[in-house]
Amino acid sequence: EPEVTQTPSHQVTQMGQEVILRCVPISNHLYFYWYRQILGQKVEFLVSFYNNEISEKSEIFDDQFSVERPDGSNFTLKIRSTKLEDSAMYFCASSSQMATEAFFGQGTRLTVV
Amino acid sequence: AQRVTQPEKLLSVFKGAPVELKCNYSYSGSPELFWYVQYSRQRLQLLLRHISRESIKGFTADLNKGETSFHLKKPFAQEEDSAMYYCALKPQGTSGTYKYIFGTGTRLKVLA
Repeated sequence: EPEVTQTPSHQVTQMGQEVILRCVPISNHLYFYWYRQILGQKVEFLVSFYNNEISEKSEIFDDQFSVERPDGSNFTLKIRSTKLEDSAMYFCASSSQMATEAFFGQGTRLTVV
Repeated sequence: AQRVTQPEKLLSVFKGAPVELKCNYSYSGSPELFWYVQYSRQRLQLLLRHISRESIKGFTADLNKGETSFHLKKPFAQEEDSAMYYCALKPQGTSGTYKYIFGTGTRLKVLA
């Protein structure tokens, strides 16, 4: 069964450093998403991406964040200068145009120290 | 405001007992409602969506527009049902995109 895969599973970074979280969506899917979950809090929408551009973003997704689909298979989330409060589990998801659900990856735990 | 509320952080039941995980939503239009489950160390998986009115692993959920609720129910809990359950809303008019609004989740523990 096809799956969304995310790498790495855990990333530790120093405050102020740039991080790139990687995702490989399901191959025939057209819509891609990033969500995050701060420990003990709810899963929050960050951004959706379709047709090589951002289709919607939340207020969390400020100028520190960017997304890219560099090669037609990977979908990345970049955080330019990490802050302590960026520590969270980041989930990638994808959906096909005709699907009735989004499929989630297993998440990347980002720890900013 | 669009919001999903799951009032219980933790629900513990004994094996064989009925389960009801509560979900209430606040939305002015006609949303799509979903239940996602996350077993220990696994990814979020779709459990139910209200439009299909299906039963998965013995779970059912009925959308009650009058009470703005979408409670998840199972008549007889099994130990393997222990997991984190998230109720999610997809706003109307977002066909094709899955900007879910999630609740805070309820951890279900089924005791032997």
